[in-house]
Amino acid sequence: GDSVTQMEGPVTLSEEAFLTINCTYTATGYPSLFWYVQYPGEGLQLLLKATKADDKGSNKGFEATYRKETTSFHLEKGSVQVSDSAVYFCALSDAYNTDKLIFGTGTRLQVFP
Amino acid sequence: ETGVTQSPTHLIKTRGQQVTLRCSSQSGHNTVSWYQQALGQGPQFIFQYYREEENGRGNFPPRFSGLQFPNYSSELNVNALELDDSALYLCASSSRQGSYGYTFGSGTRLTVV
Repeated sequence: GDSVTQMEGPVTLSEEAFLTINCTYTATGYPSLFWYVQYPGEGLQLLLKATKADDKGSNKGFEATYRKETTSFHLEKGSVQVSDSAVYFCALSDAYNTDKLIFGTGTRLQVFP
Repeated sequence: ETGVTQSPTHLIKTRGQQVTLRCSSQSGHNTVSWYQQALGQGPQFIFQYYREEENGRGNFPPRFSGLQFPNYSSELNVNALELDDSALYLCASSSRQGSYGYTFGSGTRLTVV
């Protein structure tokens, strides 16, 4: 079945460092891809999305490009801030099954001043 | 517009008991999904409701059941609680099935003792 694989964390960075969190997926159809962020004690917030190959999603300085040839959707940010510390989830929507979301296991990001 | 609200925020139940969790979807959204997030894991799809009908179900036993009401609010019921049911339960709503991204509530933290 469809699945999402994320790099394991925690990822520990200094403020203003460059961030990459790797995400690859397996899907039989043409899913939409998402990054969600979860701050401590809270639910999930949609960070960005891409609905077809070569689309680039972006929000709050974060970017991710839907790469069909490598089945990847890596999250990047040029300069992280302490406030970016959170858990980041890559997800795909299963177009053949009610568009349910299939999540990776999450990557914890810790940014230090 | 209001977001997705869930109640209660925290709950402690004893093994074998029954529990009902509630969710008010975002204004204008007619699709509601429920997810279970165990500690340190990504959310797992429980089921989805669209216009008051169950519209897809994940790999959860029948003791997990739900309802959606005419105002698109929803309930998740779990019977015969087990210790492994301890988790964060997330409700997510959307105006269409999946591809445009879901709006998540902050969740209900259920502890079964």
